[in-house]
Amino acid sequence: DTGVSQDPRHKITKRGQNVTFRCDPISEHNRLYWYRQTLGQGPEFLTYFQNEAQLEKSRLLSDRFSAERPKGSFSTLEIQRTEQGDSAMYLCASRPGLAGGTGELFFGEGSRLTVL
Amino acid sequence: AQKVTQAQTEISVVEKEDVTLDCVYETRDTTYYLFWYKQPPSGELVFLIRRNSFDEQNEISGRYSWNFQKSTSSFNFTITASQVVDSAVYFCALSEITGGTSYGKLTFGQGTILTVHP
Repeated sequence: DTGVSQDPRHKITKRGQNVTFRCDPISEHNRLYWYRQTLGQGPEFLTYFQNEAQLEKSRLLSDRFSAERPKGSFSTLEIQRTEQGDSAMYLCASRPGLAGGTGELFFGEGSRLTVL
Repeated sequence: AQKVTQAQTEISVVEKEDVTLDCVYETRDTTYYLFWYKQPPSGELVFLIRRNSFDEQNEISGRYSWNFQKSTSSFNFTITASQVVDSAVYFCALSEITGGTSYGKLTFGQGTILTVHP
């Protein structure tokens, strides 16, 4: 399977614990995105990388959230001191860094977080 | 600020019926992209179409068609002769254009849950 993969697919944690999600984009894609989707809502943009550089962060990304893409390949999203409001699906997407094209984002199946 | 509204929360149809999903957007940008994505139960969003704001030509792809009307800020999606496999959540999304391309920051609508019954 050469699509975007995310791990773990499901995570249940207690309030106050730290969690980390991993995303492996499609190998030739240099742009990587994190989105958050709560139940019954559309995805909301969190952050964006071009290679290893984090170029934009949403105001939704509080100080408890940190994302990295150390070698411009896989990315991690860490949430510290989780709160119940962090319960959501965390979606990763990637795309080639080419101008034009369809502008299509290729999404993974997401990592579902439940904070008890 | 950009905003996308999908007023229909849920739609239920019987197989072979035609169905239209509505999408209305707000943006101050003069150029932008509009998208439709499908989210099946597996959770992975699947790209369906992108439309440039300067191209109002409607598009048809098999049973799918899209009607873009800039004057009413709408980008509606019609499925002709619906099938059970079309059951999914459908999202309309908007993206600004920077440097001639969308850099991938999308504003999504709330989604429309489509259920097609046999």
